[in-house]
Amino acid sequence: DGGITQSPKYLFRKEGQNVTLSCEQNLNHDAMYWYRQDPGQGLRLIYYSQIVNDFQKGDIAEGYSVSREKKESFPLTVTSAQKNPTAFYLCASSIQGADTGELFFGEGSRLTVL
Amino acid sequence: AQSVTQLGSHVSVSEGALVLLRCNYSSSVPPYLFWYVQYPNQGLQLLLKYTSAATLVKGINGFEAEFKKSETSFHLTKPSAHMSDAAEYFCAVRGNNDMRFGAGTRLTVKP
Repeated sequence: DGGITQSPKYLFRKEGQNVTLSCEQNLNHDAMYWYRQDPGQGLRLIYYSQIVNDFQKGDIAEGYSVSREKKESFPLTVTSAQKNPTAFYLCASSIQGADTGELFFGEGSRLTVL
Repeated sequence: AQSVTQLGSHVSVSEGALVLLRCNYSSSVPPYLFWYVQYPNQGLQLLLKYTSAATLVKGINGFEAEFKKSETSFHLTKPSAHMSDAAEYFCAVRGNNDMRFGAGTRLTVKP
């Protein structure tokens, strides 16, 4: 079955540590996204990538980094510079240039900083 | 820039009652609008989408939404709530390079 796989599902981190969240898709989609979800705030865009080896900052990119070396993969690194990293992180993908423009989501990764 | 506003962070209905979740949009161009549902600790699942083909859009699980340009609204409805409808619902609008989401509405269904 085609879809988006995020790992790990749950992650605990000590302050000052970097962590990397994995996102893999086998939908052959060009565009991929990372959103952060906090209670009562909806989803906020961290980074997005429309093509391999290219990505753009979203609204809340500070303290995060990404790479897009392969079409299928878009990992997110939460660095120690992110002041409040505890949140639910969602990866998504879409067909580039499609009229419908819907996003397909993974199951999410919950990061807790101890 | 496109944006959506969801009216009401929490909605509570009795099982069998009408569900109405409100969403208003702001867009300088004809919008592509979406409703997603999220169950606890899961990703978002598409309920339905408006892409200008028809103003009344039918989705999964008996939900539907009506696009009203004059009111800049895209409210989500379901005639009869079921216990399994309890979840968080997000309205969203397609931007140039991303999708913009509302803050979400948590739906509670009482037996």
